[in-house]
Amino acid sequence: DSGVTQTPKHLITATGQRVTLRCSPRSGDLSVYWYQQSLDQGLQFLIHYYNGEERAKGNILERFSAQQFPDLHSELNLSSLELGDSALYFCASSVVITGAYGYTFGSGTRLTVV
Amino acid sequence: AQSVAQPEDQVNVAEGNPLTVKCTYSVSGNPYLFWYVQYPNRGLQFLLKYITGDNLVKGSYGFEAEFNKSQTSFHLKKPSALVSDSALYFCAVRGVSGYSTLTFGKGTMLLVSP
Repeated sequence: DSGVTQTPKHLITATGQRVTLRCSPRSGDLSVYWYQQSLDQGLQFLIHYYNGEERAKGNILERFSAQQFPDLHSELNLSSLELGDSALYFCASSVVITGAYGYTFGSGTRLTVV
Repeated sequence: AQSVAQPEDQVNVAEGNPLTVKCTYSVSGNPYLFWYVQYPNRGLQFLLKYITGDNLVKGSYGFEAEFNKSQTSFHLKKPSALVSDSALYFCAVRGVSGYSTLTFGKGTMLLVSP
């Protein structure tokens, strides 16, 4: 157990729907990062939050949004889902804003859009 | 922009033989470099990191990596492979100065045959 908790582990939903993925960072970590892993794109950075504030955006679609709450857990919202959104979504956390000493990853949420 | 190249999609090695998984990087200034491993249906697990100092870094499970600044490489090595080392390996980089998130390579599948 890495200490980073992601729920749910699996999610199957239909095209056009909206889902919310949840992440609880490791105790004491203020930074939360979201990554998307697909077979053709590899690991793509989506967004970074630090202590409740958005710090950086990567290849995140406009249909996707995220937030980090006062208790530091984070949610990734995916809407108007398309078949191509099927992927493994990872959350990672780090204690400092820069992640200079690496990230701790959760076990991921596997999203299947049918 | 920073980037990582893992030139081999797959590396095959026999158990007991040495293994090398290649990684080259591009970053402005000095790098922080990382190796992560992903087992099926699991999150990424930290193996080792180079921050500064000795170019040979030792990590978990008997793995080590050599930082070569002139060749901008950070190859992962192990003297004697185990079947249980079979997994997907990711190299990642970020620049030392300024703010940036970790950029990952596309991953290399390591298959160790008995």
